[in-house]
Amino acid sequence: KAGVTQTPRYLIKTRGQQVTLSCSPISGHRSVSWYQQTPGQGLQFLFEYFSETQRNKGNFPGRFSGRQFSNSRSEMNVSTLELGDSALYLCASSLLAGEPRETQYFGPGTRLLVL
Amino acid sequence: AQKITQTQPGMFVQEKEAVTLDCTYDTSDPSYGLFWYKQPSSGEMIFLIYQGSYDQQNATEGRYSLNFQKARKSANLVISASQLGDSAMYFCAMSMYSGGGADGLTFGKGTHLIIQP
Repeated sequence: KAGVTQTPRYLIKTRGQQVTLSCSPISGHRSVSWYQQTPGQGLQFLFEYFSETQRNKGNFPGRFSGRQFSNSRSEMNVSTLELGDSALYLCASSLLAGEPRETQYFGPGTRLLVL
Repeated sequence: AQKITQTQPGMFVQEKEAVTLDCTYDTSDPSYGLFWYKQPSSGEMIFLIYQGSYDQQNATEGRYSLNFQKARKSANLVISASQLGDSAMYFCAMSMYSGGGADGLTFGKGTHLIIQP
């Protein structure tokens, strides 16, 4: 079974631009979560989608948004990019949502550099 | 608020030795899950092992085992017979159900493990 895929793998943008990242979950998985990883803040939860609905959102500004499609694929969007948005963005999928024992499986990540 | 603490920023271990990576957690919720992930330099987070708060026995997965001490709120990862390919960042994470749904995984800062030949 194929794992979680993320595109693109690398991205360079300039301040003020916007960016869209894509994530395809493991086949059959309906929950997709997004995380931001930076050297200073570590790994932080962005949001979780299940059945095309956002279930949870972390402590991030409204510039960060996402959506999920009927095939469970998800996209996240960052508008008006800032230098501090440079990070590794990781997507994770799980079968279900709302259960602490659900294992999340991660994709390879998208490395975003904002200049 | 839930919190994960990993007190070892880095560790050097000789190949074939056993390794213990420390993790303590803080939560007042009785229902939670504890996970360990490995992150090589490529960036992908690889799931290693899971322990549920109500599980009576310590979890094991091949060379990985989890030393779960609920009263002390610790969930240490033990890697037996370490290999060069075990060199990576290791993250302890916790998931809990807060009524409205799980609030995502909370991660520790990680431990950078280097296996020396």
